[in-house]
Amino acid sequence: GQQLNQSPQSMFIQEGEDVSMNCTSSSIFNTWLWYKQDPGEGPVLLIALYKAGELTSNGRLTAQFGITRKDSFLNISASIPSDVGIYFCAGGENAGNMLTFGGGTRLMVKP
Amino acid sequence: NAGVTQTPKFQVLKTGQSMTLQCAQDMNHEYMSWYRQDPGMGLRLIHYSVGAGITDQGEVPNGYNVSRSTTEDFPLRLLSAAPSQTSVYFCASSWSRRNTEAFFGQGTRLTVV
Repeated sequence: GQQLNQSPQSMFIQEGEDVSMNCTSSSIFNTWLWYKQDPGEGPVLLIALYKAGELTSNGRLTAQFGITRKDSFLNISASIPSDVGIYFCAGGENAGNMLTFGGGTRLMVKP
Repeated sequence: NAGVTQTPKFQVLKTGQSMTLQCAQDMNHEYMSWYRQDPGMGLRLIHYSVGAGITDQGEVPNGYNVSRSTTEDFPLRLLSAAPSQTSVYFCASSWSRRNTEAFFGQGTRLTVV
């Protein structure tokens, strides 16, 4: 199946620092989604991107849909302890509404 | 709003046993899907449904069956559980073909011994 390469796999940062993570694919996607998962919970949607080149913000989060449709990045500004969790990118296809997920970025924030 | 509800939250099975993981959504979503999550591998699609009476296979369908008799419910059946099916299972739903934003349940942690 399709593969999404998400990096970095984990990050340990100081509170207040900015964070950047990205996903790349060998295939084109029509949608890029970013999710956050807390321990013992299901993923929660953070940002959805539908157009190549689109840049979207949600509070301290900013994500972009790569112009080639094969990549996306997520930035978190001024991190806080509640940002801790696993962040997943997902590429979406119109047919069948299938999502392909990256392997996740585990974010740890030191107060 | 309940959103997507999965039961049970935890389950231990013996090899060869069968069981059904339940999933229900109250948002009138057309699309429903099942994923499994294994350490370091993200989420992988097992089966999905584009509407009542229609189902299709995802990336890792072997060992699992699904049916969609109503819009609200999308159960996942393990006919003969194997240790390789030890995982966390997530059910998700979304509005339609044009909207791929999936809403997830809280997951079912399954252990097969």
